[in-house]
Amino acid sequence: AQKVTQAQTEISVVEKEDVTLDCVYETRDTTYYLFWYKQPPSGELVFLIRRNSFDEQNEISGRYSWNFQKSTSSFNFTITASQVVDSAVYFCALSEEGFSGGYNKLIFGAGTRLAVHP
Amino acid sequence: DTGVSQDPRHKITKRGQNVTFRCDPISEHNRLYWYRQTLGQGPEFLTYFQNEAQLEKSRLLSDRFSAERPKGSFSTLEIQRTEQGDSAMYLCASSLEGTSVNYEQYFGPGTRLTVT
Repeated sequence: AQKVTQAQTEISVVEKEDVTLDCVYETRDTTYYLFWYKQPPSGELVFLIRRNSFDEQNEISGRYSWNFQKSTSSFNFTITASQVVDSAVYFCALSEEGFSGGYNKLIFGAGTRLAVHP
Repeated sequence: DTGVSQDPRHKITKRGQNVTFRCDPISEHNRLYWYRQTLGQGPEFLTYFQNEAQLEKSRLLSDRFSAERPKGSFSTLEIQRTEQGDSAMYLCASSLEGTSVNYEQYFGPGTRLTVT
């Protein structure tokens, strides 16, 4: 069965600190996709990144970076120089490959609530 | 591009009543998903459509739940004989899927259901 674990329920940091959100996943599929979504206080889920299982390259986008390690089944998310606007709940998600080669339902972790204080 | 919209945004109902939610996906998107999110948890998959065909239903979707996407555009989710345990945020997402094109799921703002 597929499963996503986000062990950190809440993290509190002071602005400008770096913070890493952990994500560990379980799947028997050899082809799968991993995602991170942000859910700000307004409630709407915002897509951040998609990574497929064959691409282990780390990715950086501005202050955001992602570390994908198949050996440890982890897909961690780091925010550098955090800002108050980063305060939100962050979800890691997993999806198996669909029949069309795309992906289907998302299996979400429980989320990590990040609070960035000024 | 107007994004995914959901109506209503909030619904308060008494136990035993029926409720219906609507989702309008992004116009060219052929896939539509329904998820449920309870407080402090991540969204849980309920069902999804490719055009008008319902391709998968979760075990969470009891007989009291039914979803439709009659013309492959908007979708409705109906809950019959609501129970207090149905109180949650119901999220809709849409995506564009094809043989060589795979886009991420875009989520709507959700419908918050409270069953009293």
